[in-house]
Amino acid sequence: SQTIHQWPATLVQPVGSPLSLECTVEGTSNPNLYWYRQAAGRGLQLLFYSVGIGQISSEVPQNLSASRPQDRQFILSSKKLLLSDSGFYLCAWSVRRGALPSSYNELFFGPGTRLTVL
Amino acid sequence: SQQGEEDPQALSIQEGENATMNCSYKTSINNLQWYRQNSGRGLVHLILIRSNEREKHSGRLRVTLDTSKKSSSLLITASRAADTASYFCATAIPKSRRALTFGSGTRLQVQP
Repeated sequence: SQTIHQWPATLVQPVGSPLSLECTVEGTSNPNLYWYRQAAGRGLQLLFYSVGIGQISSEVPQNLSASRPQDRQFILSSKKLLLSDSGFYLCAWSVRRGALPSSYNELFFGPGTRLTVL
Repeated sequence: SQQGEEDPQALSIQEGENATMNCSYKTSINNLQWYRQNSGRGLVHLILIRSNEREKHSGRLRVTLDTSKKSSSLLITASRAADTASYFCATAIPKSRRALTFGSGTRLQVQP
């Protein structure tokens, strides 16, 4: 069965410090990978998605970047954190398009990382 | 702007009652999905309804879709305290390789 891991679970960082959040998926190959951010009590904002190694698409301009060094590894980074980067960061995966009909676009989410920037 | 918007934003009911949540979206869709999120956790997929379907059932869940009104509803029957969570509808973002856009969610509180 497939599993998705995120770490750390919680993180408190000072403004201006760097960030690295990691997400790994097990039990599947060639997944699409996604990073979402959720502000307190709000919906999810798509930050990045990736359809393959080294292929990153950004949905919104921001202080963050993403990388996919391996097929099942997705990393979210920042060189200098801002207060507004605080939030709940969720990684998700889906089946690669073409492997199943396009109607099967269910996302599978990791447990999330709670980031507080002080 | 977000594609899906749920209402109400918050709902409090007693155990055994039914809970109905609504979602509106803006663009044409292939399908619409509902997810559940327990506090501080990741989202879990509940049910998917395709654009050519009008109603779908899964256990105590009933989802309807009205593409002419661009709306969907999620009904949870005979609610339990364990149903307490936030519920989100989601639709696909065009040309985004299966990425989904989510509404702001409905926070459901089921009182025991």
